[in-house]
Amino acid sequence: QLQLQESGPGLVKPSETLSLTCTVSGGSISSSSYYWGWIRQPPGKGLEWIGSIYYSGSTYYNPSLKSRVTISVDTSKNQFSLKLSSVTAADTAVYYCGSVSSYAFDYWGQGTLVTVSS
Amino acid sequence: QSVLTQPPSVSAAPGQKVTISCSGSSSNIGNNYVSWYQQLPGTAPKLLIYENNKRPSGIPDRFSGSKSGTSATLGITGLQTGDEADYYCGTWDSSLSAGEVFGGGTKLTVL
Repeated sequence: QLQLQESGPGLVKPSETLSLTCTVSGGSISSSSYYWGWIRQPPGKGLEWIGSIYYSGSTYYNPSLKSRVTISVDTSKNQFSLKLSSVTAADTAVYYCGSVSSYAFDYWGQGTLVTVSS
Repeated sequence: QSVLTQPPSVSAAPGQKVTISCSGSSSNIGNNYVSWYQQLPGTAPKLLIYENNKRPSGIPDRFSGSKSGTSATLGITGLQTGDEADYYCGTWDSSLSAGEVFGGGTKLTVL
C-alpha cells in the first residue's frame, strides 16, 4: 500500500515561489502502474487539481495555473515536487499530493497548509 | 465555478438512503470514468468509487456509483453519523483545457 507525505514551508511570501515535495513509500515512483499529482484546497473551499506527472516524465497542468507551475520527479529519492511561482494570497491552501491509478486518485498525502503572507 | 456540478448539501436520517448527483458534459463525464471521494472534517479526501462504479478494497457496499450520459450519482445506504462529510466527484476533462476536474463538493448531513 502506497503512503505519500508532503513536506515544505508552511509560509511563503507574496511573489515568491512555493516549493513542496511528496515522498512516496510502499512503491516505486517509476512504476508504470501509477502517475502522480498535486491537488489543493483553499480554506473552506473545494478541490482544485494543479497538475500531474507520468512515469515517462510527461506533465499535464491546470490551464489556469500552467504559466506558474512545474512538477518534476526525482526517482533516486522516490519523490516528486511542485513549484508554484509568483504566489499571492489566493494560493493559500492545503496542498495534497496523490497517486493516480485506474483513473482516480487512490492514495493521498495528509496535506500541508501553505499560507501566503508577508 | 466548478466544471462538474454537485448540490451544495444533502441530508437524511440515520439508516436512510441518500444520493448525490454530479453533472458534467460530453468532454468530461460523458466520455471518461468518474470517481468519488469522501472528505471527513480535517482529513484528506479518500477514494470511495473509481471507474464509475467500482469500490476500492475496504469500502463497504453501502457506497455505490453509477453513470448515465453526462451525469453520475453516488448512493449511500444505511446512513451512519460517521458518513457526515463532504463528497466530491472527479473525472478527466478532454476539452482544450484538458485536465482533472472536480465537482464543487456536497456536504452530507446525517440528521
